[in-house]
Amino acid sequence: SAVISQKPSRDICQRGTSLTIQCQVDSQVTMMFWYRQQPGQSLTLIATANQGSEATYESGFVIDKFPISRPNLTFSTLTVSNMSPEDSSIYLCSITYGPDLTTIYFGEGSWLTVV
Amino acid sequence: AQTVTQSQPEMSVQEAETVTLSCTYDTSESDYYLFWYKQPPSRQMILVIRQEAYKQQNATENRFSVNFQKAAKSFSLKISDSQLGDAAMYFCAFTSNTGKLIFGQGTTLQVKP
Repeated sequence: SAVISQKPSRDICQRGTSLTIQCQVDSQVTMMFWYRQQPGQSLTLIATANQGSEATYESGFVIDKFPISRPNLTFSTLTVSNMSPEDSSIYLCSITYGPDLTTIYFGEGSWLTVV
Repeated sequence: AQTVTQSQPEMSVQEAETVTLSCTYDTSESDYYLFWYKQPPSRQMILVIRQEAYKQQNATENRFSVNFQKAAKSFSLKISDSQLGDAAMYFCAFTSNTGKLIFGQGTTLQVKP
């Protein structure tokens, strides 16, 4: 299995600012994904973080709001830009491990509150 | 488009009893995988059990088992001998072997002592 570390685990952010969340994996992984979980809701996929190229965004999510980087096979960042209270959510990084795209693990999540 | 539906927002069970959480899904894919994840108050997503659609045999993991009805597109989770530590939000999820997960709305499970 892989160990996934997310930072920060929790933060309180001011409206209009941006925050970058880091996802570090202890081994090289095939795919990395970012999800959002709004309060009391389920998880929704934001984007697939592609190594060496631009992320692939799901419907309803745009690069200007959620820029993503993936400089190598073990690390990715998600930035939440120009935050509003509606961005208060848990943001989770997930990975697929090994050749099997169905072995999926999650980071501990980053709980952001925008005030 | 694939969808996952959990019609039970909340369930409760007495400690040591058995509870079943329901999940239905819709897909036109023939090759897919289904999962149950547990999310305790820590918000960590913990894999409980997974089922490959091509396998007829229902998956089991200790006290957790599924009832996979492929034709009915149903995937329920049975928790036997419920423990206080089982209290959490449970999510049913689907992937068509892309690594991307589609989640149901979640079921909050309360375990009463």
